[in-house]
This record gives sequence, structure tokens and C-alpha cells, in this order.
Amino acid sequence: DAGITQSPRHKVTETGTPVTLRCHQTENHRYMYWYRQDPGHGLRLIHYSYGVKDTDKGEVSDGYSVSRSKTEDFLLTLESATSSQTSVYFCAISRQGGNEKLFFGSGTQLSVL
Amino acid sequence: KQEVTQIPAALSVPEGENLVLNCSFTDSAIYNLQWFRQDPGKGLTSLLLIQSSQREQTSGRLNASLDKSSGRSTLYIAASQPGDSATYLCAEYTGNQFYFGTGTSLTVIP
Repeated sequence: DAGITQSPRHKVTETGTPVTLRCHQTENHRYMYWYRQDPGHGLRLIHYSYGVKDTDKGEVSDGYSVSRSKTEDFLLTLESATSSQTSVYFCAISRQGGNEKLFFGSGTQLSVL
Repeated sequence: KQEVTQIPAALSVPEGENLVLNCSFTDSAIYNLQWFRQDPGKGLTSLLLIQSSQREQTSGRLNASLDKSSGRSTLYIAASQPGDSATYLCAEYTGNQFYFGTGTSLTVIP
């Protein structure tokens, strides 16, 4: 299995609080992605990174920010959590972007009350 | 906006049966298509990746095909086993990002 660790695995928080999810990889892959998975919507891209300090928005980026200060770490921050951000969040990595396989972490179940 | 559709949403088959899962996509400028497996409470595992220049890929009992002109991909599972029970998702890559289908939940009955 690809070395991808997401933390925390589960989190319950209150509306309006900031939340940071962490993705750590040991594969030295260049590309890292954050997705959310919701029933009926499949996986949707939030943000992605194509190198240290190089990030771009996905289709559902509103209310989220990311940072990548090291190759191995990609952080997702919910600036002020809302109930609509209750979801399962997945981190994924790939060596050279879309032309190679995606490897996924085990996910973070986030509940915003 | 690209759309990826997987029908049916759920499928039950008896053990040993051969089966086909379907994936339809709208963007003919597809770079590649991946098939994934997702077990309950787990992340996705990539099964097969088909480049746009290829027509099919095989791994063990799995065979995936790609028809760009019709906007379709199929995942063929031979001699199904209870351990194949999972949700199978496809994703197209358009050169910008991946677009995922909502998956087919497969149950193989012993």
C-alpha cells in the first residue's frame, strides 16, 4: 500500500470553528489532492498541489484553503466550518499527475454540528 | 462540465458468475480512465488505468476496456468471488483533473 496517512480519522466539531486536516505521504510523489465524498455526488476535487507551495483550486473549493510547505505534507483547512462541510475527506497522491495511478488515504470522517 | 455515469448503482450476482460494470463519460478528449475499488469505510484502490491510446487493460480476473468514440468504459470481472464485493468507481482524466462516477455497489452471493 502507498504510504499515505490522514489525520485525524474522525472529527466532530461545531459550526464556525476552524478545522485542519492533514495528509502525510512517504512516497515522494509530486501531486497531492484533497477530495470530499458525499452520497449521490461521488468524489469531488477541493484543491490539489503540483509541488511545494504550488496549489490550485478544484470544483468545490469555496470555504477551504490548503498549504503545502513540504513535499510530504498537504494540509486542508476549513476556515469556518459549516454543516454542509460534513463529509468524508480523502487525500490522494500521484507521481506525475493524471497520467499515473491515484493512491488514496483511508479518509477522515468530519461531522460539523 | 464533465459527467461520469455508472449504471446500475447496485448489482447482486451469484458466486462464479462473470459480470460487466459500465462507465459512461461525456468528454471525448479523455486522457485516460481509471477503475477503482472501494471497501466500506476505506479509501479507493486503483485497479486498472487505461490510456486514451489503449483499448483495454488486464489484471488477473479483471479486464477494462475503453471506447472513446462512444464515451464508454467497461470493467469485466471473471468468475466472481465473495471477496469481490465492494463499490467500483471509474474516473476520467481530462488533462486538468479527475472526474469520478458515483460507483456501482457489487455484492457477490456465496
